[in-house]
Amino acid sequence: QLQLQESGSGLVKPSQTLSLTCAVSGGSISSGGYSWSWIRQPPGKGLEWIGYIYHSGSTYYNPSLKSRVTISVDRSKNQFSLKLSSVTAADTAVYYCARGTVKRPPDAFDIWGQGTMVTVSS
Amino acid sequence: DIQMTQSPSSVSASVGDRVTITCRASQDISTWLAWYQQKPGKAPKLLIYAASSLQSGVPSRFSGSRSGTDFSLTISSLQPEDFATYYCQQGNSFPLTFGGGTKVEIK
Repeated sequence: QLQLQESGSGLVKPSQTLSLTCAVSGGSISSGGYSWSWIRQPPGKGLEWIGYIYHSGSTYYNPSLKSRVTISVDRSKNQFSLKLSSVTAADTAVYYCARGTVKRPPDAFDIWGQGTMVTVSS
Repeated sequence: DIQMTQSPSSVSASVGDRVTITCRASQDISTWLAWYQQKPGKAPKLLIYAASSLQSGVPSRFSGSRSGTDFSLTISSLQPEDFATYYCQQGNSFPLTFGGGTKVEIK
């Protein structure tokens, strides 16, 4: 059964770069034509889609974050990563990785990681 | 961006009640609408995709429907494990967007 697991720094200083990785187990990131997304949720608030990547490396980012976001894939390690630069307190959130359906754009996210809390603070 | 407006923001209900949550899209999204359930401290769980298709393993008391740009999630007989926050999400166009959430609370 496919599982996703986020990892990375839980505390990031303002103006620095947030870095997270999502490890995919129980299946290959390169099979099935799925997309792989990052989604975040500030404490007590709703969900915001950050962007996605396909195993081919093609990406699409939310325009609200596009200037600061990079999503990459490492097929050899079966994982994908998020970098968010110039962070502020507004970037404090639980960050989830999720698998999107094969449709472009994905119409749903059927498998999610457990989420990792990232706090931006000096 | 397509705005997804959920109502109500919260609802109090009892076990066995029928509960309906609505999500309105700011423009046509065809049937590209998903519903999720989220419990405190947990990741969202996909319930419904393509407006009315039940995700594998989800109880049949959950159902989804569409009328134009209005979408509904109905729980036919609320169970104790259904008390949670529910989100809709449009998958018609970028950027993908979610509704603000509806919290289903115990009356």
